[in-house]
Amino acid sequence: NAGVTQTPKFQVLKTGQSMTLQCAQDMNHEYMSWYRQDPGMGLRLIHYSVGAGITDQGEVPNGYNVSRSTTEDFPLRLLSAAPSQTSVYFCASSFLGSNEKLFFGSGTQLSVL
Amino acid sequence: GENVEQHPSTLSVQEGDSAVIKCTYSDSASNYFPWYKQELGKRPQLIIDIRSNVGEKKDQRIAVTLNKTAKHFSLHITETQPEDSAVYFCAASRGSSGDKLTFGTGTRLAVRP
Repeated sequence: NAGVTQTPKFQVLKTGQSMTLQCAQDMNHEYMSWYRQDPGMGLRLIHYSVGAGITDQGEVPNGYNVSRSTTEDFPLRLLSAAPSQTSVYFCASSFLGSNEKLFFGSGTQLSVL
Repeated sequence: GENVEQHPSTLSVQEGDSAVIKCTYSDSASNYFPWYKQELGKRPQLIIDIRSNVGEKKDQRIAVTLNKTAKHFSLHITETQPEDSAVYFCAASRGSSGDKLTFGTGTRLAVRP
């Protein structure tokens, strides 16, 4: 049981490049989400999904796209990277309903030069 | 939307002393309040959570208290040990589980041996 798996662990991009951060979970969780973590800012919600085919914006969605074609996968796309998107990105998932807890992946450290 | 404030941003205690971290939230409809511990370079991990129908919850050396009237909740760690050194995040959401959590900005706890 791998839990929440994120790839890559590290990535360096040039301004304007595009890339996709991968997230997969094998726990059959309905809910999946992406957070970014910046020093002194805590974790901020980018996008989330409550099931396949359903996505919605979080607190800081600009510059990011997501899709949820399967229950297991929730990729995060940066269409044109900017230095302001330098951050650590965490994918997290959970069941929906009472008493369910959020589980995080190991994170992707992204630098945009 | 929800706003969660967390204090202090840094906390240094002597091994064996107690540590208290406080959070306030703005959305009176929030009813789920988890606490996460993040060690350096690692993912956030849930250490304890509380729901709005409970005023206090304990798990060995950690406890969380909730005051819904005042919209604040606190994490208490007793008999601190060096391995308690980490960044701690509080969070809040309207749901009863880990979806759409809004996080505080974190408290860096250092336990001096």
